[in-house]
Amino acid sequence: AQSVTQLDSQVPVFEEAPVELRCNYSSSVSVYLFWYVQYPNQGLQLLLKYLSGSTLVKGINGFEAEFNKSQTSFHLRKPSVHISDTAEYFCAVTLAGTASKLTFGTGTRLQVTL
Amino acid sequence: DAMVIQNPRYQVTQFGKPVTLSCSQTLNHNVMYWYQQKSSQAPKLLFHYYDKDFNNEADTPDNFQSRRPNTSFCFLDIRSPGLGDAAMYLCATSRDRPETQYFGPGTRLLVL
Repeated sequence: AQSVTQLDSQVPVFEEAPVELRCNYSSSVSVYLFWYVQYPNQGLQLLLKYLSGSTLVKGINGFEAEFNKSQTSFHLRKPSVHISDTAEYFCAVTLAGTASKLTFGTGTRLQVTL
Repeated sequence: DAMVIQNPRYQVTQFGKPVTLSCSQTLNHNVMYWYQQKSSQAPKLLFHYYDKDFNNEADTPDNFQSRRPNTSFCFLDIRSPGLGDAAMYLCATSRDRPETQYFGPGTRLLVL
C-alpha cells in the first residue's frame, strides 16, 4: 500500500520569501502524485499533478513541484509567496494504472505574514 | 463552468436525527467520492461509486450510507448522527480510477 509523509505540520514565512513544502511517499510501484490547497471552510483545489513525463510540474498560482523518484519526494515550491497563499496544503498519492484510492498526507499549514 | 456542487454548505442537525447531504456534478465523471474531514486532519474516504457500483471503505461505519440515482447526483445519508460525526463532508469526482479528483466546496455538519 502507498503512504505519504508531510514532515512539516506548519510553515511560517514572510511575504515575498520563497517557500518549500516537503512531501515524501512510499510505494513499490509507479505512482501519481498531487498537491491540493484548502482555504478555510472550502473544499480542496488542485494545485498541480504528476502523472508521467517531465519531472518538473508547474501548477496554478505560481507553484511548482519536482518529482524525484530516487528520493521518493514531490516537494512543492514557490519563489515568492503572497498573503493570499495562507492555507492548508495536502500532498496525495495514488498507484498508477490501478483502481487504488487517493492517500493524503496529514497536511502542511502555510502561514504567510507581512 | 463544469463543477462539483454541494448543498447545503452548512447543515445543523440534532443528535440521532437523520440527515442527507447532496452532491451534483456537471463534469459527467464516472466516479463520485465522499470524504469526511475533521478539524486539522486529512480527508478520509468513506466510499465511492464507480458508475453504479458502490465501493465501501472497510472502516466506514454502517451509520453512513450513500445513493447515486444517476450520473450527476450522489447523496450521503447519515442515519443517526452522533456528536463525533460533526465534520466537513467533501464530495469529489474523477473521470476514471485512478485519475485526478475534483472536489466540491464541502458541507460542514454540526450535530447538536
